[in-house]
Amino acid sequence: NAGVTQTPKFQVLKTGQSMTLQCAQDMNHNSMYWYRQDPGMGLRLIYYSASEGTTDKGEVPNGYNVSRLNKREFSLRLESAAPSQTSVYFCASSEAGRQGNSPLHFGNGTRLTVT
Amino acid sequence: AQRVTQPEKLLSVFKGAPVELKCNYSYSGSPELFWYVQYSRQRLQLLLRHISRESIKGFTADLNKGETSFHLKKPFAQEEDSAMYYCALRGQGAQKLVFGQGTRLTINP
Repeated sequence: NAGVTQTPKFQVLKTGQSMTLQCAQDMNHNSMYWYRQDPGMGLRLIYYSASEGTTDKGEVPNGYNVSRLNKREFSLRLESAAPSQTSVYFCASSEAGRQGNSPLHFGNGTRLTVT
Repeated sequence: AQRVTQPEKLLSVFKGAPVELKCNYSYSGSPELFWYVQYSRQRLQLLLRHISRESIKGFTADLNKGETSFHLKKPFAQEEDSAMYYCALRGQGAQKLVFGQGTRLTINP
């Protein structure tokens, strides 16, 4: 039981390049999330998916797109990377929030550097 | 709007001393509150949640609605408590979790 798996672990991009961060969970969770972690800023929500087939913007969605491919997978795409997107990205999943107090389960993170 | 504030970016205490990590929130309804912890080279994980009123690894946190706070406390700090701690809030019926800026706790021997 791997929980939440993110790939890749590290990535270096040049400004303007594109890439997709992959995330998969094997806990049969309905909700999935993408956060970015920056020093002094904490974790900020980029996008989330309450259930298969739905996606919603979080606090900082600009410059990103997401796809909820199926119940297990939720990918994050940077179409044209910018230095401001240098960050550590975390994927997380949880049971539906309305079921009350369901915690988030996090992946190990992807450290992205944009030069 | 939902907002979580952790006023201390860094906190350093000696082993055996009491620890208190502060968390204040802004939310008009009844929130669900959590503390998450990230140890070195490990993934972020849930430490405790207010609804459970539990003590995990000696830590407790009480929701004070009057002061809109959810401070994390431990009476006697241990070196293995050194980590990054995040306070988080979920609004009633909401899906997303809003995090504070985090506090890096260092326990000195």
